[in-house]
Formats: sequence, structure tokens, C-alpha cells
Amino acid sequence: AQKVTQAQTEISVVEKEDVTLDCVYETRDTTYYLFWYKQPPSGELVFLIRRNSFDEQNEISGRYSWNFQKSTSSFNFTITASQVVDSAVYFCALSEAEGNTPLVFGKGTRLSVIA
Amino acid sequence: DAGVTQSPTHLIKTRGQQVTLRCSPKSGHDTVSWYQQALGQGPQFIFQYYEEEERQRGNFPDRFSGHQFPNYSSELNVNALLLGDSALYLCASSGTGGGQETQYFGPGTRLLVL
Repeated sequence: AQKVTQAQTEISVVEKEDVTLDCVYETRDTTYYLFWYKQPPSGELVFLIRRNSFDEQNEISGRYSWNFQKSTSSFNFTITASQVVDSAVYFCALSEAEGNTPLVFGKGTRLSVIA
Repeated sequence: DAGVTQSPTHLIKTRGQQVTLRCSPKSGHDTVSWYQQALGQGPQFIFQYYEEEERQRGNFPDRFSGHQFPNYSSELNVNALLLGDSALYLCASSGTGGGQETQYFGPGTRLLVL
């Protein structure tokens, strides 16, 4: 069975600090997708990134970066120079790579960025 | 390009009642998935519709049912509501093939069962 663990329930940082959100996953599949979503107080899940299990290259998008390490089954998310607008709940998710398969979510990490 | 839309935004029902939630997918998407998110938890997969049929189902009782229309919009029905059905119900849409499978979510419907 697939499982996603986000061990950090809540994180609080001061604006401009860097912060890393951890994600550890379990799956027996050899091919799979990993995702990060952001959920602001409004409730809508905002897609941030999708990563294929064959692509272990780290990715950077502006202040966001992702570190995928298959050896440790981790897909961590770093926000550089955090801003108040980054305050939200962040979810890591996993799905099979074949077709439209359901997402398995972690419990989320609530990030609070204080001005 | 409109994203995923859901209605209503909020609902209050009493135990035993029935509820219908609606979802319109993102333009160009043909697959709709429904998730339930209890307070403080991650979303849990309920079921998925494609070509007007339920294609996959999570671990939810038969009280949860759905429908997909020819225009790809979808409904989620919950019968005999229980207090534990209080949650945020999220709809996600996705395409088919060619890397279109990323699920994009709507704003959700907050259901409170009293």
C-alpha cells in the first residue's frame, strides 16, 4: 500500500528565513508520481509540482525548490526567503504513474510565516 | 480559462438528510475525482468518474454515490448523513494521457452535519 508521511505538523518561521518541509513516502510501485500542493485558508488545493519517479533531478522554481531522493524515499520542499503569503498548509502526495490514479496524501504541514 | 468550480461553497444539514454537491471540471479535462478532507487531515479519495462511469473507488460506504454528465461535470451525493460526514469536499479534474493526469482542485464545499 502507498503511504505518505509528513512528520512536521506545524512549523513557524520569521519572514525571510528558509524553511524545509519534509515528505517521506512508501510504495511498492517502480514508477510513480510525487506531488506538492499548497492549501491556503480559502481551502483550495493549489498544485505546485509533479515529479516522476525516474527523474531525480532537483527542481527550482523561484523561491521554491524540491529535493527528490529515491534512496531515502523522500521528496522535500524548501522555501527560500519565506514570505507571509507562504503561510498555508502544504501537502505531499503520491500516485501510481499509470493513468489517472488516486492521490494519497500526507497529513500536511502547517507553515506560519511571521512578519 | 476557468478552473475547477464547485457549488455550493457551504452547506449545513442535519443527520439523516441527503446532500448533493456539484463540480465543473477545468476546460479540456474529462476526469473528475472527489476527495473528503476532515479537519486537520489530508484529503481522502472517494471515487473517480470518467466517461460517465465510476472508474475507481476509495474506502467509502455506498451512502456516497456520484454521477458524471456528458459535459464532464459531476455530482457527489451523500445519503443518510452522519455527524462524521462533516468535512471539506474537494473535487479535482484531470485530463487523459500526454501528461495531463495532474489533478487540479476546486475551492471545495464545506459540509456541516448537525
